[in-house]
Amino acid sequence: DAGVTQSPTHLIKTRGQQVTLRCSPKSGHDTVSWYQQALGQGPQFIFQYYEEEERQRGNFPDRFSGHQFPNYSSELNVNALLLGDSALYLCASSLEVNRGETQYFGPGTRLLVL
Amino acid sequence: GNSVTQMEGPVTLSEEAFLTINCTYTATGYPSLFWYVQYPGEGLQLLLKATKADDKGSNKGFEATYRKETTSFHLEKGSVQVSDSAVYFCALSEGAAGNKLTFGGGTRVLVKP
Repeated sequence: DAGVTQSPTHLIKTRGQQVTLRCSPKSGHDTVSWYQQALGQGPQFIFQYYEEEERQRGNFPDRFSGHQFPNYSSELNVNALLLGDSALYLCASSLEVNRGETQYFGPGTRLLVL
Repeated sequence: GNSVTQMEGPVTLSEEAFLTINCTYTATGYPSLFWYVQYPGEGLQLLLKATKADDKGSNKGFEATYRKETTSFHLEKGSVQVSDSAVYFCALSEGAAGNKLTFGGGTRVLVKP
């Protein structure tokens, strides 16, 4: 049973560029959430996708956007990168019918903005 | 809004010592509570959870009890091993649609042989 997978594992970008991160949920899961974890801090909720719609959003600017595909996989896009966007980006999946009680996390994508 | 506060680390222990990591929360409703663990260079793994008051979550020798009266969910383990060295995160979800997780800042635990 495949767990949550994310790609790429590491990424280096420069300020002003755009980046796309990808996530495949755990088999059978239909809900995907994205979190940003700055160094030495706890993860912060970015947004959640269910049925290809953004259902809930945290306190992040519009530069952060996402998408969910019919196969439940998801992308996180960040435009106009800032140095402060350097972080570990975590994807988590859950099953809506269980009210998403347990979220399973992927290994993350580490983004460095220079 | 919701928030989670956990004790700052690092916590340094000897093998077989008793571990406690304090966690308190603020929530408007009746949240579910979680402990996640993050090993070096990895993502988060669910360690245990409790969904209602007085529930005890347990896994791999770790335990935590949902205390509504003190809004706490302290993590304990009676005898730690070197392999327990990691960062531990306390988190809550409100149980409403979306179930986004609100995390504490994390507590780094280092177990020495």
